[in-house]
Formats: sequence, C-alpha cells, structure tokens
Amino acid sequence: EAQVTQNPRYLITVTGKKLTVTCSQNMNHEYMSWYRQDPGLGLRQIYYSMNVEVTDKGDVPEGYKVSRKEKRNFPLILESPSPNQTSLYFCASSSPSEAFFGQGTRLTVV
Amino acid sequence: SQQGEEDPQALSIQEGENATMNCSYKTSINNLQWYRQNSGRGLVHLILIRSNEREKHSGRLRVTLDTSKKSSSLLITASRAADTASYFCATEKTSYDKVIFGPGTSLSVIP
Repeated sequence: EAQVTQNPRYLITVTGKKLTVTCSQNMNHEYMSWYRQDPGLGLRQIYYSMNVEVTDKGDVPEGYKVSRKEKRNFPLILESPSPNQTSLYFCASSSPSEAFFGQGTRLTVV
Repeated sequence: SQQGEEDPQALSIQEGENATMNCSYKTSINNLQWYRQNSGRGLVHLILIRSNEREKHSGRLRVTLDTSKKSSSLLITASRAADTASYFCATEKTSYDKVIFGPGTSLSVIP
C-alpha cells in the first residue's frame, strides 16, 4: 500500500529544544516536500527535495532544516523551535501526477 | 502573495445539489491540482489538469482550466454529506517545482 508515514503525530515541546519530525515513503518517489498549515493561510511549502542530496527552499523555510540522505526519508528539523512554529505539518511524496500526503504532525511550541 | 486563491471561502449546500469552487492564479503554470482535506487530516489528491487541457472528469468531479483567465473550477455533482471537507487548488510552474496551495474552500453538504 502506498504510504507516507510521519512521526510523531502530536508533539508538545518547549522553546529552543531541537526536534525532528520524520517522514518516510514507500513509493520510490524522487520528489518530497514539507508543508505547514495554519488557519486562513492554507498550506505553505517549507522545503522540497527533487532527489537524494538535492533540497530547495519553499515559501517559508526560515527556522527549518531538512536533509535527504536517502530516497525514502525526508526529515524536518527545527534546531531552535519558537512559538510561531506551532502549526500542523504535512510531509508529501509526489509522482509526476499526484502528491501523497502523510497524516500530519500537530506541533505545539510553548 | 499566494499563487492560488479559491473562491468562495465557504460554501454550504443541500445534499444532491451541485457545488462549484473556483481557483485563480497569477503566473503561468505547468499543471493545476485539486485536493480534498477532511478536518485536520492529510490531503487527498482528486484530479490533475495540465496547462494544455481544458476539462477533465473523474466520477462526480469535473475540472475546467482557462489559462487565458488564469482560473480553474471544480464542480462536484450530486453532492453527498461525505463530500463535506475543505478543497484546495495547487499549482506548479514546472514539473517538480515549488507547489503553491490556495487557502481553500470549506464545503458543507447538509443532509
């Protein structure tokens, strides 16, 4: 079954404490991306990756890092989280015709 | 500014009626996609239309694209309560480029 798996689903953390949200896909897709979703703003792309070791900034990359050391994994790293990064995060893995989304990670930074 | 903008922001209809949502964008695109999101969950791909296509159908869904007006519409015919969700359009300028989503249309279908 085609799947994009994100972990954790829910996370509450404190300001400044580094965290990583993992994302894994089993479809051998080259293109993967991260989004955040905030009320009234829709989804905004944070980073995307067109292949292993190739990453590019999306519209809102500040405060985030990513890595793509292998095709199936695309972790999102928050080195020093701040309250304005409280959001719902989605990872997506794409073929040329559609994107498959993970179930989301609800992050709260206090 | 966002590439895609859906209209209306919210739509409430009776079951059995048709629902039409519109999406406008600002620059040239390679393709436009529509997604559905049930409350707080991941997005589900509905349909993709390429810049050289004008209309596509998938079950009860009909999507049109007018590149001269930089707009697209999603029509859901014979709506059902299960169609209640948020609907987003997303555009790509080129293949595997940045994908930009609009803020979405919230559709409520009343049984």
